[in-house]
Amino acid sequence: GESVGLHLPTLSVQEGDNSIINCAYSNSASDYFIWYKQESGKGPQFIIDIRSNMDKRQGQRVTVLLNKTVKHLSLQIAATQPGDSAVYFCAENRSGTSGTYKYIFGTGTRLKVLA
Amino acid sequence: ETGVTQTPRHLVMGMTNKKSLKCEQHLGHNAMYWYKQSAKKPLELMFVYNFKEQTENNSVPSRFSPECPNSSHLFLHLHTLQPEDSALYLCASSQFEGVNEQFFGPGTRLTVL
Repeated sequence: GESVGLHLPTLSVQEGDNSIINCAYSNSASDYFIWYKQESGKGPQFIIDIRSNMDKRQGQRVTVLLNKTVKHLSLQIAATQPGDSAVYFCAENRSGTSGTYKYIFGTGTRLKVLA
Repeated sequence: ETGVTQTPRHLVMGMTNKKSLKCEQHLGHNAMYWYKQSAKKPLELMFVYNFKEQTENNSVPSRFSPECPNSSHLFLHLHTLQPEDSALYLCASSQFEGVNEQFFGPGTRLTVL
């Protein structure tokens, strides 16, 4: 069935190294994607988004790559810091039951930054 | 912090209790959402309200009853819940339904005994 998922449930990275978190999606009709960060005890926080007419978008220390051919999304974090430790979700936007759009979230990857 | 507040932050209730979760957004948004977050599962969309009208009920059991009196407030009324309903319930808002960035509240950690 259709789904949004993550390849790695837990990722441990040395402080200062780059992190790459991956996500697979199955609906080729999805046209908008978001990465969220969720710290312990908090709700998800928007990091960066990308539309399907783009294959790369950069923010501050973060880059999202979209490969529509293989339906793959990745989040790259440069110079990972302790404050980056959190669970990261990808989400796709697809049409809902009433003809409106709703988000489908992945299960999340926990990023652990090692000092 | 995000402009979306939720109360209470923690709630423990018995299966015969009636309780309500409250969400308020100070962002001037027109769409509000309820999500359920269970351990090791993706966020599950429950309800969507757009301009105070419910536009999505994602096959949620009737023991969960949403209410949206205005664009800034959203409630989730709980009645005769089951232990498997224990989860983090997240509220979110966006400028309009669907394609825009959603801002999440901190959630209510619900435990059903």
